Amino acid sequence: AQSVSQHNHHVILSEAASLELGCNYSYGGTVNLFWYVQYPGQHLQLLLKYFSGDPLVKGIKGFEAEFIKSKFSFNLRKPSVQWSDTAEYFCAVNDDAGKSTFGDGTTLTVKP
Amino acid sequence: DAGITQSPRHKVTETGTPVTLRCHQTENHRYMYWYRQDPGHGLRLIHYSYGVKDTDKGEVSDGYSVSRSKTEDFLLTLESATSSQTSVYFCAIRGAGRGTDTQYFGPGTRLTVL
Repeated sequence: AQSVSQHNHHVILSEAASLELGCNYSYGGTVNLFWYVQYPGQHLQLLLKYFSGDPLVKGIKGFEAEFIKSKFSFNLRKPSVQWSDTAEYFCAVNDDAGKSTFGDGTTLTVKP
Repeated sequence: DAGITQSPRHKVTETGTPVTLRCHQTENHRYMYWYRQDPGHGLRLIHYSYGVKDTDKGEVSDGYSVSRSKTEDFLLTLESATSSQTSVYFCAIRGAGRGTDTQYFGPGTRLTVL
């Protein structure tokens, strides 16, 4: 069975600080990887995804993620966070059958 | 936003009563999913459907059943609600075929079981 581990449960940053959220997965087959964001009181929205090709993926709102196959990692980064990035972030992996497994989420708080 | 609606959006019920949540899509997508979201647990898959009348269990399916008689509707039933089923329930959809693995989520249903 596949699993997803997000190492940081709660991250607190000041505006303009750089962000990196860790995500590791375990699955032996071909994976599709996702980062979703959930703003307070809202549903999950897709930030970015990796299917194949360039392991550095760029998403919306200045976010990017790097797929490192040898490390089974898909870390999310942003060079300079804003107060509006305060949200919960979920890493997810799809298996060959399209079933998704989500990490437990990381709550990001950005102080103005 | 993808054309997904969930009803009701909020519900309070008592232990032992049956509850049905509805997910409705206008995208004609093949796959539909029900998740529950609880603090510290992320999203956990309850059941999913890969076509009309084709469903399968997820990791937390005990106490839940689903039905899909039409492409656009996916119903989640709590056969006899318990306090441990107090949660926020999200429906998601996705298309079939290469490059369509992205799931799109509905607005959620907040269920409280007293």
